[in-house]
Amino acid sequence: AQSVSQHNHHVILSEAASLELGCNYSYGGTVNLFWYVQYPGQHLQLLLKYFSGDPLVKGIKGFEAEFIKSKFSFNLRKPSVQWSDTAEYFCAVKSYGNNRLAFGKGNQVVVIP
Amino acid sequence: DVKVTQSSRYLVKRTGEKVFLECVQDMDHENMFWYRQDPGLGLRLIYFSYDVKMKEKGDIPEGYSVSREKKERFSLILESASTNQTSMYLCASIRQGNDEQYFGPGTRLTVT
Repeated sequence: AQSVSQHNHHVILSEAASLELGCNYSYGGTVNLFWYVQYPGQHLQLLLKYFSGDPLVKGIKGFEAEFIKSKFSFNLRKPSVQWSDTAEYFCAVKSYGNNRLAFGKGNQVVVIP
Repeated sequence: DVKVTQSSRYLVKRTGEKVFLECVQDMDHENMFWYRQDPGLGLRLIYFSYDVKMKEKGDIPEGYSVSREKKERFSLILESASTNQTSMYLCASIRQGNDEQYFGPGTRLTVT
């Protein structure tokens, strides 16, 4: 079964700092990759997704992620965070032909003004 | 916009009670999912359904059952609630062939 690893569960940083969250998955082959975000008290919502094509994908609110197939990774980045980026971030992977998403354990990100 | 709604935002139940959590989606999605979310554990799949009256176990089905009598509604049932089922429960749906899951607001269940 697919498994997803996210490291550094708690991340604290100051506004304007750069953010990078790592995501690695276990199973090769064709995959669809997602980053979801959950702001305090809100729904989980999609931040960005990769299905095929350009491995560098851009999402909402200035986030981007890079798919590196050889490393089974899909790392999330933002060059300059804001206080409003305080949230929990989840990486998720779907293997081709499977309706299920495998989620990582999440990164709790706190941005200090 | 896809809308996934859950019957309650907060629920408090006693140990041994039967608990029903309801989820409704309004976009005619074939697939529906129930997860529980716990701090430090991420989202874990309890059950999912890919069609009416069809269900499959996820990673942690013990202590839970589900019902899908209509396409838009997917119910999670705790036959006899226990304190270790205190958690946030999230419902999600997705159209067949479309890989983005849409989530409901969650139900925070406390079992005392």
